[in-house]
Amino acid sequence: DSGVTQTPKHLITATGQRVTLRCSPRSGDLSVYWYQQSLDQGLQFLIQYYNGEERAKGNILERFSAQQFPDLHSELNLSSLELGDSALYFCASSVDFPGTLSGNTIYFGEGSWLTVV
Amino acid sequence: GEDVEQSLFLSVREGDSSVINCTYTDSSSTYLYWYKQEPGAGLQLLTYIFSNMDMKQDQRLTVLLNKKDKHLSLRIADTQTGDSAIYFCAETQSNNNDMRFGAGTRLTVKP
Repeated sequence: DSGVTQTPKHLITATGQRVTLRCSPRSGDLSVYWYQQSLDQGLQFLIQYYNGEERAKGNILERFSAQQFPDLHSELNLSSLELGDSALYFCASSVDFPGTLSGNTIYFGEGSWLTVV
Repeated sequence: GEDVEQSLFLSVREGDSSVINCTYTDSSSTYLYWYKQEPGAGLQLLTYIFSNMDMKQDQRLTVLLNKKDKHLSLRIADTQTGDSAIYFCAETQSNNNDMRFGAGTRLTVKP
């Protein structure tokens, strides 16, 4: 158990719909990352939040958005869903204290399986 | 092209050693990681190594780093069927938002 909690574990929804994935980071971790894992794209970094602020954006579509709340949990919002959005979405967290190995190590949640039909 | 490369498949017999290899291109990589993903599960951090280290051993796992050749390997001694999984190599500098993952090596352990 990494200490990162994601809900829901599985989600099936129709094209055009909107879903929200939720993540609770490990206790004490200030950074939250979202990744998408699909068969054809592999593991792709989407976005990072640090202590409530967006820190970095990766390959995140405009239809997707995220936020980190004052209690440090995060939500990833996926809208106007397409079949190609079906994937495993991971949340990860880290202390994110640059310059130290332990501070940079990120821990992954179990993932949320999203199936768009 | 890929910043982190791994072979996609490896098959070994139970009890043998497994060696999973990874190459990366960024010479300023500072932290290198091995993650394990079992079917239907998330990525589990297995081990990590700092770029100024050559080797790290943790029970059945041995990580070797050849910084000159930008080559990282993970050796699993006495491989068990429970080791069957996909193993991801990852590297980053100081910013985790720049962490790059390989495509993953699917290890199959045959009884």
